[in-house]
Parts: sequence; C-alpha cells; structure tokens
Amino acid sequence: GENVEQHPSTLSVQEGDSAVIKCTYSDSASNYFPWYKQELGKRPQLIIDIRSNVGEKKDQRIAVTLNKTAKHFSLHITETQPEDSAVYFCAASRGYGNKLVFGAGTILRVKS
Amino acid sequence: GAVVSQHPSWVICKSGTSVKIECRSLDFQATTMFWYRQFPKQSLMLMATSNEGSKATYEQGVEKDKFLINHASLTLSTLTVTSAHPEDSSFYICSADPLYNEQFFGPGTRLTVL
Repeated sequence: GENVEQHPSTLSVQEGDSAVIKCTYSDSASNYFPWYKQELGKRPQLIIDIRSNVGEKKDQRIAVTLNKTAKHFSLHITETQPEDSAVYFCAASRGYGNKLVFGAGTILRVKS
Repeated sequence: GAVVSQHPSWVICKSGTSVKIECRSLDFQATTMFWYRQFPKQSLMLMATSNEGSKATYEQGVEKDKFLINHASLTLSTLTVTSAHPEDSSFYICSADPLYNEQFFGPGTRLTVL
C-alpha cells in the first residue's frame, strides 16, 4: 500500500523567512497530492493541492512542486507570518473516490 | 464550498458503552465517505472507507466488529464505537468525497472514554 514520509517533523523559522516541507510517496499510481493545515482541535484545512499532470502550482505565498519520477513533492511558504504557525500534513491519493494517505505532519513555528 | 457536518462535536462516555457519530454532507451527495482517527500529536489514520449501499472497507488492524459503519444514504454515514474503552479515546474525523473535487472534512468528534 501507499506510504507517505514527511520531513521535517518540526520547523522553526523567523517571521518573513521561507519554510519548506518535503514528502515522498511510494505508490506510483498516486496522482493527487494535497497539503493541509491543521490547528489544534480542528479539521484539516486544504491549503493547496497538485495533480500529477503538473509540476508546480502557486497560490500567493504558497507553492507546491511535484517530481513524479522521484516520487516526491514539497510545500513552500514564503514570507512566513505568525499565523502560519500550525501543523501541516501532506497526503497522497489515487484520485477521486480514493483514500488519502497522510504524512506524519510537520509542526511549523513562525517566530516574530 | 461543500459542507460536511459531524455530530456530536464531543462526547464523554463510560467504558463499555457504545457511541454513535454521524457524518453528513449538507449540500452534495457522497457515494464515498472516509473515517479517520487522530490521536494527540499524531497524523490522521484512515480507519475505513464507507460506501453507500454496501459494506465498509476497513484498513488493516481496524476491528470491523468494534467500529461499525453504516452508509445508508448518499448524505449520511455513521460510525458506532461499540463497547468503548479508554484506549478508544481519540479525535474522529470523517470526510466526504463528491467524486468531482477534493475530499471535504467534517469538524471532528472528540471522544473521551472514562
């Protein structure tokens, strides 16, 4: 079955700096890669996703890159702000109607 | 955007009792819903895939007789934790898949078993 590894487990950055979180996956049939932000006691919130037919996607300060050959994808957050502090999860799926397999999560702390 | 609700948002029960959690898609139909469990400081782990009108598919290591799933309509799936024990205390989150977009998550149910 699919296995998703996520690194680092914790990440501390200074406000205004960039943050990068990396994930690798094992199932070559996976074609959907979302990133979620979760605050304590709340549901995961989709912040950006990418499908296997594109290599990069950007939404304001957030970007995701995908290397399907190497089976890894990354989340990039630029100009970090204190409100970006949360737990971030990557996930992989074979697409609509299929389960999501989550990475272990990254605790991001943005210091002001 | 699509909305998924869960009820209750939190529940406290005594050991040995059963607890039912409801997951509803409010403005779309979901043939497939998923149930996840999240322990403190851990990731979301899929428990089972709920398919409308058929039996749920359970992940390895999840006891189907303990975690009963019913998906009787295109907008409702229920998870019943039978004979709950303290180790079942967790955050249970459902998601609904409209098949044309990403999964939408419910707000979660915090279960505490005393």
